[in-house]
Amino acid sequence: ILNVEQSPQSLHVQEGDSTNFTCSFPSSNFYALHWYRWETAKSPEALFVMTLNGDEKKKGRISATLNTKEGYSYLYIKGSQPEDSATYLCALGNDYKLSFGAGTTVTVRA
Amino acid sequence: SAVISQKPSRDICQRGTSLTIQCQVDSQVTMMFWYRQQPGQSLTLIATANQGSEATYESGFVIDKFPISRPNLTFSTLTVSNMSPEDSSIYLCSAISGGEETQYFGPGTRLLVL
Repeated sequence: ILNVEQSPQSLHVQEGDSTNFTCSFPSSNFYALHWYRWETAKSPEALFVMTLNGDEKKKGRISATLNTKEGYSYLYIKGSQPEDSATYLCALGNDYKLSFGAGTTVTVRA
Repeated sequence: SAVISQKPSRDICQRGTSLTIQCQVDSQVTMMFWYRQQPGQSLTLIATANQGSEATYESGFVIDKFPISRPNLTFSTLTVSNMSPEDSSIYLCSAISGGEETQYFGPGTRLLVL
């Protein structure tokens, strides 16, 4: 089991504002870092898989970066919309097994 | 990608009983897994469901409590046996297709044990 910390636990953002939050890990002994978006009663949706230090991935208004040397990944949401309200999960993968953080719950206020 | 469905979506059970959760994938997949999320906790891997052989369990999980079957490349079941209130969780099935890094998840089964 790999140790994964996510902060903050929750945040509120005004519609149209941008936000970011962190996934941190004390050890880079993993193969890939995954980001998921999980809405209530739905399947966790895979956002990004990152494997290399310096990786940057983008999907629409959401982007992520990975810094394995300093032990963190950031996820950014640009111009937040109400449909971005969800819990965002970070997970470290080894041998296809995922160790998850507790998540950051984002609430976008209209 | 893979689309995963689970049955039931939710259930309320009495302590001491057992519940079997089904996971169906819309295509053949290489690997299947079972996770759970207890209230206020992170998603935790229970086991890897191996096709045609016994599942591989993570530390803290045992076959007698969580028997798992995987008879083919698209289907798996997880049974939660002799349930207690501590088993109240969301149970999720996941799968990986050959050659992909992305792990796809089902919508989960929300279990409440009284």
